[in-house]
Amino acid sequence: EAGVAQSPRYKIIEKRQSVAFWCNPISGHATLYWYQQILGQGPKLLIQFQNNGVVDDSQLPKDRFSAERLKGVDSTLKIQPAKLEDSAVYLCASSFQGPGNTIYFGEGSWLTVV
Amino acid sequence: GNSVTQMEGPVTLSEEAFLTINCTYTATGYPSLFWYVQYPGEGLQLLLKATKADDKGSNKGFEATYRKETTSFHLEKGSVQVSDSAVYFCALILNQAGTALIFGKGTTLSVSS
Repeated sequence: EAGVAQSPRYKIIEKRQSVAFWCNPISGHATLYWYQQILGQGPKLLIQFQNNGVVDDSQLPKDRFSAERLKGVDSTLKIQPAKLEDSAVYLCASSFQGPGNTIYFGEGSWLTVV
Repeated sequence: GNSVTQMEGPVTLSEEAFLTINCTYTATGYPSLFWYVQYPGEGLQLLLKATKADDKGSNKGFEATYRKETTSFHLEKGSVQVSDSAVYFCALILNQAGTALIFGKGTTLSVSS
């Protein structure tokens, strides 16, 4: 079974530039998550989708971050304009719908803002 | 609010030593509890989980028991190997629709031969 796919794996940009990350969840998984993991910290939820609807985006900095999951499958996370403090690993994860189901993570997209 | 607290690392052990990584949680209701592991350069992998009080999760020689009375989920392994060197994250999720994993800060384990 294919896992959660993310791209690009690594990205270096200058502050005030924009960047986009793509995620393809495991087939059939209705729930998709984007997490931000800053070095030395645990992952923090940015946004959670159920199919193509947003369940929770309370911790998403909406002035610069946006995310979409138009057809209920792939998702894109965008940062514009980037700040130095956005340097982190952006993790995409997915699970079957409903509580108690295992959440599977992709390998992450490593962002460095200089 | 809901949160997870892990012992701070790094934890440095010799091969075949006994490992304990402490984890306590605060949650409204009764969550499911998890340990995830992150090997260098890789994504998070589920190591084990427990969904109710007194459940014991186990995998690859690691164990953790869901203790409701002490709100704890400590990770243990009787004999660590160099290949266990990684960052370990304790996490919880509330058993209700529309919730997501809440993670601790992670504990780095380094095992030397």
